[in-house]
Amino acid sequence: DVKVTQSSRYLVKRTGEKVFLECVQDMDHENMFWYRQDPGLGLRLIYFSYDVKMKEKGDIPEGYSVSREKKERFSLILESASTNQTSMYLCASRRLAGAREQYFGPGTRLTVT
Amino acid sequence: AQKVTQAQTEISVVEKEDVTLDCVYETRDTTYYLFWYKQPPSGELVFLIRRNSFDEQNEISGRYSWNFQKSTSSFNFTITASQVVDSAVYFCALSEAYGGSQGNLIFGKGTKLSVKP
Repeated sequence: DVKVTQSSRYLVKRTGEKVFLECVQDMDHENMFWYRQDPGLGLRLIYFSYDVKMKEKGDIPEGYSVSREKKERFSLILESASTNQTSMYLCASRRLAGAREQYFGPGTRLTVT
Repeated sequence: AQKVTQAQTEISVVEKEDVTLDCVYETRDTTYYLFWYKQPPSGELVFLIRRNSFDEQNEISGRYSWNFQKSTSSFNFTITASQVVDSAVYFCALSEAYGGSQGNLIFGKGTKLSVKP
């Protein structure tokens, strides 16, 4: 079974703090993704990575950065958290070739106060 | 432009009723993939099914069935004899082989299904 894990299920941070959200997958997938999910807006892609040290902006990258130093780990960084970044954050991974479905982690519900 | 529309925002049914979740997609690619995901209250998106654009065969898996019709650009999902455990938000998604979305998933806004005992 594919397993994608995220470092925290719930996180509360203060405005201006630097926040790290970690994602690890155990299936040797090349591609990894970060989404945020908000009521009425659905899932929106923040960043994705095709391979180690590679990253691409998604639809809403502003205010975020990412890091992929190892194939299994993809980190989302909020350099200076703001209240409008309060959201559910979902990580996913996928093989580069063949089946295109993404496998998701359990999500991190981040609250910025 | 690529797009996925789930017109039903919320559906409420009583246990044992059948329910169909609608999904309409737009794409210019001739090669594409369609997906359904389930998001229970716990939050994790669970992959249910993938179909590619060359395979219009309907699929049945237990109480779940999927109807893919290219002529109407639809990929509908039916739950037969619904159960309380089916309560979740269901997302339809599209992935293009060659389009501008770089093969990433394009999600609909989701349909929240509530199954009452």
